[in-house]
Amino acid sequence: QKEVEQNSGPLSVPEGAIASLNCTYSDRVSQSFFWYRQYSGKSPELIMSIYSNGDKEDGRFTAQLNKASQYVSLLIRDSQPSDSATYLCAVGNTGGFKTIFGAGTRLFVKA
Amino acid sequence: DVKVTQSSRYLVKRTGEKVFLECVQDMDHENMFWYRQDPGLGLRLIYFSYDVKMKEKGDIPEGYSVSREKKERFSLILESASTNQTSMYLCASSSDGTGGHYGYTFGSGTRLTVV
Repeated sequence: QKEVEQNSGPLSVPEGAIASLNCTYSDRVSQSFFWYRQYSGKSPELIMSIYSNGDKEDGRFTAQLNKASQYVSLLIRDSQPSDSATYLCAVGNTGGFKTIFGAGTRLFVKA
Repeated sequence: DVKVTQSSRYLVKRTGEKVFLECVQDMDHENMFWYRQDPGLGLRLIYFSYDVKMKEKGDIPEGYSVSREKKERFSLILESASTNQTSMYLCASSSDGTGGHYGYTFGSGTRLTVV
């Protein structure tokens, strides 16, 4: 059983639309939740972190966490072609020693 | 503005060679990690370290060892390289907060090919 699950995609959205990326996790004691963006051939880059239930907004990005449902999502508003990348969901506990990454969702934003 | 530096971007080694991958961070982070990333398998943790001279096995430590003699440097060693160790190797570092860690900063990666 995978511990962090993401839809592998590809998810295709038109430029200017909202892209919605979803992630579920199995470990109920998880405390830290992250979204990383990875362009092809590059290393992952942290774009959002969230630690408590609710929404967290940073520019065009909104992370949403629901610990009761063990669900975390990332919304990208006004999607741009430059947002085309693989988005990795990561879930960790205290200390970060066992952070688990999902396999990633490939996003394509069509101009 | 480089924060996590991996010594090589591309590396080609022969089967049986001993291979050293170096990683240096300048953010004074306590925790450092080595992952490998393969298509379809995602990121898999090889080893991590939460302090100088401390190391812990991750999910796939077989065939690897690590060294952390200084806080800023974490080395991955392939004792006898094999073709199934051909992969992208990613080093990362993090610091801890009360709610867990603050997320990883990754290096640019080393694409290792073993022939």
